[in-house]
Amino acid sequence: DADVTQTPRNRITKTGKRIMLECSQTKGHDRMYWYRQDPGLGLRLIYYSFDVKDINKGEISDGYSVSRQAQAKFSLSLESAIPNQTALYFCASRPSGSTDTQYFGPGTRLTVL
Amino acid sequence: DQQVKQNSPSLSVQEGRISILNCDYTNSMFDYFLWYKKYPAEGPTFLISISSIKDKNEDGRFTVFLNKSAKHLSLHIVPSQPGDSAVYFCAARRSGGGADGLTFGKGTHLIIQP
Repeated sequence: DADVTQTPRNRITKTGKRIMLECSQTKGHDRMYWYRQDPGLGLRLIYYSFDVKDINKGEISDGYSVSRQAQAKFSLSLESAIPNQTALYFCASRPSGSTDTQYFGPGTRLTVL
Repeated sequence: DQQVKQNSPSLSVQEGRISILNCDYTNSMFDYFLWYKKYPAEGPTFLISISSIKDKNEDGRFTVFLNKSAKHLSLHIVPSQPGDSAVYFCAARRSGGGADGLTFGKGTHLIIQP
């Protein structure tokens, strides 16, 4: 029983299509994050959210948008996908006021053709 | 411009021996450091962390050392076991400024040989 789930796990799409990646967490955490991982580059922060009404850009937010529909749900959208957005995407969560032990989902592998 | 650097893409260690994974950082504003372990097709899982006010933290077979003056930390695994074979990411958090999120290194692929 995973605490942070991501859907879909794999997605292949075409250039110009709109894509939404979804994340849910059952840990009751306030803070949620989206990262992307490219081969050889580690994880980079796209967006983060302190709570439902507080969303912030991360290091590489261009080309992405997010929505925090509820405390437990944080979705990432690619309005018009391009091939260099092909990557592994991870969602994470953690409670406010704690140390930064973020809990990660299993990842979504996105391929943009 | 990488702020967290893991200069060894891979490391091979014999089972039972010590594994030492290294990490360097450049940003003096980092105040908390973490190590994550990642298996293929899974998300990173938290392993161990250390605050900048400490120089060592130990949890079972895992010990993290922090040398603030050198902006260097290391993860020691003793003894190394086959299940330790994974990619290890060093990550850091910046204090202040209202920002959040972690800055990750590129990872080191640890291979434990029988």
